[in-house]
Amino acid sequence: SQQGEEDPQALSIQEGENATMNCSYKTSINNLQWYRQNSGRGLVHLILIRSNEREKHSGRLRVTLDTSKKSSSLLITASRAADTASYFCATSRGGTSYGKLTFGQGTILTVHP
Amino acid sequence: EAQVTQNPRYLITVTGKKLTVTCSQNMNHEYMSWYRQDPGLGLRQIYYSMNVEVTDKGDVPEGYKVSRKEKRNFPLILESPSPNQTSLYFCASSSHGVYSNQPQHFGDGTRLSIL
Repeated sequence: SQQGEEDPQALSIQEGENATMNCSYKTSINNLQWYRQNSGRGLVHLILIRSNEREKHSGRLRVTLDTSKKSSSLLITASRAADTASYFCATSRGGTSYGKLTFGQGTILTVHP
Repeated sequence: EAQVTQNPRYLITVTGKKLTVTCSQNMNHEYMSWYRQDPGLGLRQIYYSMNVEVTDKGDVPEGYKVSRKEKRNFPLILESPSPNQTSLYFCASSSHGVYSNQPQHFGDGTRLSIL
């Protein structure tokens, strides 16, 4: 089963509004990463948060991590039509999964002009 | 320009005909990985390589082979493709393993259809 589960599966908002996407995972992690994918294209790395961090910012992006709840959220503030894409969380674990990266199913974000 | 290059971008083939999807990166990255993306399932890791001559299975390795003879190349081999391997495939690389908190750089994908 997937390590990361994302919620909602789809999100539709107006330009200028904030978009929040959530990711839950099952086992302890080393880091959690967020990626963006424009339709049918390769994924682009957005932000990485380590297991000992609680919050990170990058431009209009804010990521939080709650390891006690095994969850993360990605907030995009003041969204633009160009933010329309699929967003994926991915988790890296240690131990026997040292080199593995496990993705969630993604959230499809549509930003209407 | 730093990039991960996959070839071909599109391929339609038939069951049982061996095929290879090439992946090359020009960033001197140690870590490379293959994923497949299917609707509703997100990306699933097929194989990864921590460095030259070191490869390991991901979550869905059945029916695939890989090799890492050179640092820059990480081909994905389907010895006897079957229709359930029809998918969108991505190659990715990072300077070190995902455990070392390095982001992945992705190729543009290979859309594979097996009839």
